[in-house]
Amino acid sequence: GENVEQHPSTLSVQEGDSAVIKCTYSDSASNYFPWYKQELGKGPQLIIDIRSNVGEKKDQRIAVTLNKTAKHFSLHITETQPEDSAVYFCAALLTSGTYKYIFGTGTRLKVLA
Amino acid sequence: DAGITQSPRHKVTETGTPVTLRCHQTENHRYMYWYRQDPGHGLRLIHYSYGVKDTDKGEVSDGYSVSRSKTEDFLLTLESATSSQTSVYFCAISDQSGVRNIQYFGAGTRLSVL
Repeated sequence: GENVEQHPSTLSVQEGDSAVIKCTYSDSASNYFPWYKQELGKGPQLIIDIRSNVGEKKDQRIAVTLNKTAKHFSLHITETQPEDSAVYFCAALLTSGTYKYIFGTGTRLKVLA
Repeated sequence: DAGITQSPRHKVTETGTPVTLRCHQTENHRYMYWYRQDPGHGLRLIHYSYGVKDTDKGEVSDGYSVSRSKTEDFLLTLESATSSQTSVYFCAISDQSGVRNIQYFGAGTRLSVL
């Protein structure tokens, strides 16, 4: 079946440094790739998304890049702050007759003050 | 949480008992989803609905059933709960009209099956 691989599973960075989380998807028909942040005890919240007709998208300290040929997409967080500490999930939308999302297994980001 | 209410938020039950979780939305979105979240597995799709009375299975549907009799409500039923169904359950909604693919999540239901 279709899947999304996410790496690393845990990531620790010093405050102010950058963090990068990478995902690889298998369904070449996928055309929408969201990233979610999940804080303890809460549901996932969308932080940024990208469509397949765009290579990069930025929103303040967060950016996402997409390489359709390699079926890779990445989340970049610059100038990390303690409040960025959370679990991050990537996902890919399957559009072949359904609107199902396949999620990565998550990355626990710790920003050390 | 984008007009999504999950109930109950916490439940403890015994093996073999039936359990129903409810998801209620006020956004009038066509698509509704049930996921379970377990350590090391991320979010896995149990069932989803693409309209009233229209549902389909996800990757981990065994032991679960769903019903959607109204646009705003999506119920997840564990017919006979097992310890392996101890998990955190999330409901999500999405419009999926045109380019509106964003999926919004509820706050979750923590279920413990003893």
